[in-house]
Amino acid sequence: GENVEQHPSTLSVQEGDSAVIKCTYSDSASNYFPWYKQELGKRPQLIIDIRSNVGEKKDQRIAVTLNKTAKHFSLHITETQPEDSAVYFCAASIDYKLSFGAGTTVTVRA
Amino acid sequence: SQTIHQWPATLVQPVGSPLSLECTVEGTSNPNLYWYRQAAGRGLQLLFYSVGIGQISSEVPQNLSASRPQDRQFILSSKKLLLSDSGFYLCAWIIKGGGELFFGEGSRLTVL
Repeated sequence: GENVEQHPSTLSVQEGDSAVIKCTYSDSASNYFPWYKQELGKRPQLIIDIRSNVGEKKDQRIAVTLNKTAKHFSLHITETQPEDSAVYFCAASIDYKLSFGAGTTVTVRA
Repeated sequence: SQTIHQWPATLVQPVGSPLSLECTVEGTSNPNLYWYRQAAGRGLQLLFYSVGIGQISSEVPQNLSASRPQDRQFILSSKKLLLSDSGFYLCAWIIKGGGELFFGEGSRLTVL
C-alpha cells in the first residue's frame, strides 16, 4: 500500500515568517495530494489540494508544490499568523483511498 | 448540502466490552465511506472503507469490524475492546469521482 512520510513532526515559527512541511510518497500511481489542518480536538479540514497533472497551486498565503519524479510534495505557509497554529497532515490518494502522513504540529510564536 | 453525522461524540468503555460507533451521511448517494483512527498525538490510520452497501475493505487486522447496512450508514464495531483501541475515531466520506474527503466530528473512545 501507499506509504506517506511527513517532516518535520513539529515546527515552531515566529509570526510573520514562513513555514514549510514536506511529504514523500511511495506509490507512483498516487494522483491526488490534499493537505488537512486539524485544530485541537476537532476534525481535520481540507485547506488545499493538488492533482498529479499540476506542479503548483496557490491559495492566498498557502501554496503546495508537487514533484512527481521525486515523489514528494510540500506545503508552504507565508506570513504565518497565530491562527495557523494547528496540526497539518499531508495525504496521497490512489483510487479514493487516502493515506496520511503522521502530521506536523505547527506553533506560531507571537 | 451534504452533511455527515457521527455518534456518540465521547464514550468511556471498560476493557472487554463491546463497541458500536455510527455514522450517517446526508445529501448525497452512493458515497465512499471510511473509518479512520487517530491515537493521541498521532496520525490518521485508515481502518476500513466501503464503496457500496455490504462492501467493506479492511486495512488493518484488529479486533474491529465495520458494516454498511444502508447506502449512507457506516458502523464500526467491536465485540471486545482492548486498551489499545482508545483513540479518536473519524468517519469520512467522499463523492465518487474524487474530490475532498469530508470528516465527521469524531468519536473519542477511552478504554479503561
